[in-house]
Amino acid sequence: TAGITQAPTSQILAAGRSMTLRCTQDMRHNAMYWYRQDLGLGLRLIHYSNTAGTTGKGEVPDGYSVSRANTDDFPLTLASAVPSQTSVYFCASSDSPGSTDTQYFGPGTRLTVL
Amino acid sequence: GQNIDQPTEMTATEGAIVQINCTYQTSGFNGLFWYQQHAGEAPTFLSYNVLDGLEEKGRFSSFLSRSKGYSYLLLKELQMKDSASYLCAVRDSNYQLIWGAGTKLIIKP
Repeated sequence: TAGITQAPTSQILAAGRSMTLRCTQDMRHNAMYWYRQDLGLGLRLIHYSNTAGTTGKGEVPDGYSVSRANTDDFPLTLASAVPSQTSVYFCASSDSPGSTDTQYFGPGTRLTVL
Repeated sequence: GQNIDQPTEMTATEGAIVQINCTYQTSGFNGLFWYQQHAGEAPTFLSYNVLDGLEEKGRFSSFLSRSKGYSYLLLKELQMKDSASYLCAVRDSNYQLIWGAGTKLIIKP
């Protein structure tokens, strides 16, 4: 079982350009999440989706958008990248957002915005 | 505001025991998680506590005191592969995870 996959593994992006980070899970989990991880800070939630067709804003949503057209995919789009969006991005999923189920993480995408 | 505090870095010796503390102040409490993250990799689940007391899983144990807003992760018989960051996270009243910055554990031979 693949679990959660993310693409690309890493990317260098010019400021002002747009980019979509892809995330796919094959566990049929209801909830999916996007986090960013920066040195010295905890994981910060960008956006989440409790079930297909719904999305919500996390702690740091500005400059990012998401969609959840189906259960498996949860892409994250940067419309116009800025250097402060340089980070490692992790996608995660869990079976049910209000349950005790844990979140399972993808391998991450390392993004550098120049 | 919501806050999770953990030591930034700890050093321990192979074969020894180490305790990593976590204190939290959050809006509501619906469980506390510990994750392990090796450098350059994704976090992986270690333990979950929602009631006070100790949960034991092999070499790893996790303790919770809700009245004190306090948890610790205890690692016994340390191995070199335990060198990693350990992340404490609390599920708040909105069922979102609030994460600490992590504790980098360095194991020396």
